[in-house]
Amino acid sequence: EAGVAQSPRYKIIEKRQSVAFWCNPISGHATLYWYQQILGQGPKLLIQFQNNGVVDDSQLPKDRFSAERLKGVDSTLKIQPAKLEDSAMYLCASSLDPGGFSPLHFGNGTRLTVT
Amino acid sequence: AQSVTQLGSHVSVSEGALVLLRCNYSSSVPPYLFWYVQYPNQGLQLLLKYTSAATLVKGINGFEAEFKKSETSFHLTKPSAHMSDAAEYFCAVSDSLAGGTSYGKLTFGQGTILTVHP
Repeated sequence: EAGVAQSPRYKIIEKRQSVAFWCNPISGHATLYWYQQILGQGPKLLIQFQNNGVVDDSQLPKDRFSAERLKGVDSTLKIQPAKLEDSAMYLCASSLDPGGFSPLHFGNGTRLTVT
Repeated sequence: AQSVTQLGSHVSVSEGALVLLRCNYSSSVPPYLFWYVQYPNQGLQLLLKYTSAATLVKGINGFEAEFKKSETSFHLTKPSAHMSDAAEYFCAVSDSLAGGTSYGKLTFGQGTILTVHP
C-alpha cells in the first residue's frame, strides 16, 4: 500500500511570511493528524481530523495556524505569519480509526526553517 | 492527563550488546502504549504496541517491550544491538477508553537517541 505522502520535504521562509504544507493519507484512513516536532523533542499533536471534521485542535495556535481537510481525504496546514519558533518538522499521520488501537502511519515530514 | 517520561536522552551500546530504553507513563485510565522509531529526516515507524492483551509485546526488528502496571513502565529491549538500530526512539501513550479526553490522541515522550558502536 502507498504510504502517507507529504510535500514539500523542505521549506525555508522568512519570518512573517506564509507557508502551506500538503498531506495525502493512506487510502481508506479516516483519521488524519498533524504533528509538530521541534528539534530534540517528541512530536506534539496540532490537530486531529476524523473524516473532514476536527476532533482535537486544542494545541493549534489558531491565531497563525489553520488546517483543513476537504472531502475527508487530503489535508493542508498553513502558517501565516510564521515566527522563528515555528521552525520544526511537520509530520502528517493517518490511521484507520481514532481509537489508538490502529497504529499511526507517518509521512516523511516537511522540515520548515524560519529565518 | 497523560504523560510519558523517557529516561536518558542518549543511550550508547556496543554492537551485540543488550539494548534497554526506558519509558514510564502516567495515565488515569488503562493505556495503550507504543514504541516508534525515527531515522534522520524521516517520519516515525511503529515498532510495537500494547493494547491490553499480553503484557510482553514483540515487535519488528527483534525488539520487545513489557508492560508493568505496578511500575507504570513500558521499557523497550533488544537482546543484541545491530548497527542498523541506531536511530531515535519514542515511547507514546493514548487513552484506551472510547469517549475519553485523550482517546486516539498519542502523547509522545522526548525521545531517546540510540548510538551503536562497532
